[in-house]
Amino acid sequence: NAGVTQTPKFQVLKTGQSMTLQCAQDMNHNSMYWYRQDPGMGLRLIYYSASEGTTDKGEVPNGYNVSRLNKREFSLRLESAAPSQTSVYFCASLPNTGELFFGEGSRLTVL
Amino acid sequence: SQQGEEDPQALSIQEGENATMNCSYKTSINNLQWYRQNSGRGLVHLILIRSNEREKHSGRLRVTLDTSKKSSSLLITASRAADTASYFCATETPYGQNFVFGPGTRLSVLP
Repeated sequence: NAGVTQTPKFQVLKTGQSMTLQCAQDMNHNSMYWYRQDPGMGLRLIYYSASEGTTDKGEVPNGYNVSRLNKREFSLRLESAAPSQTSVYFCASLPNTGELFFGEGSRLTVL
Repeated sequence: SQQGEEDPQALSIQEGENATMNCSYKTSINNLQWYRQNSGRGLVHLILIRSNEREKHSGRLRVTLDTSKKSSSLLITASRAADTASYFCATETPYGQNFVFGPGTRLSVLP
């Protein structure tokens, strides 16, 4: 039982490059989330998915796209990376009990 | 805009002392949760308190919620060096499964 798994753990991109952050959970949770964490700002919601096939924008969706591929997987795509997207990205899933389960994070640097 | 704001931003105490962190929020909530984050790791859920509850305990943790003041506090009793981490409050709004995090309190427990 791995919980929430994020890949890659570290990534360095050049401005304008694209990449996809992968997230998978094996707990059969319906809802999944992508947050970014920047120093002094806590976590900010990028996108979330309440169920397979649905996605909704969060507080900071610009520059990102998401895909809820199936119940297990929720990916985050940066089409044209910018230095402002340098951050730590966290995926989380939500059971019926109401507490979020987080992955270990993906640390992205955009040069 | 952020919903939760923790206070203080940083707290340094001696092992064995109690640590108190506060969280204020702005709008109606379904519940309020506290999370812990060790350096370089993902967030781990500590405790959830629902909007109709006033106090909750879990081991050395005590959480209070005052919905009239839109505030919560987390008390860690008899702190240990292993409690050194960042602590975040998160509020779940009534408008879908949307969780908003504060910027966190960095707790240092000195041996």
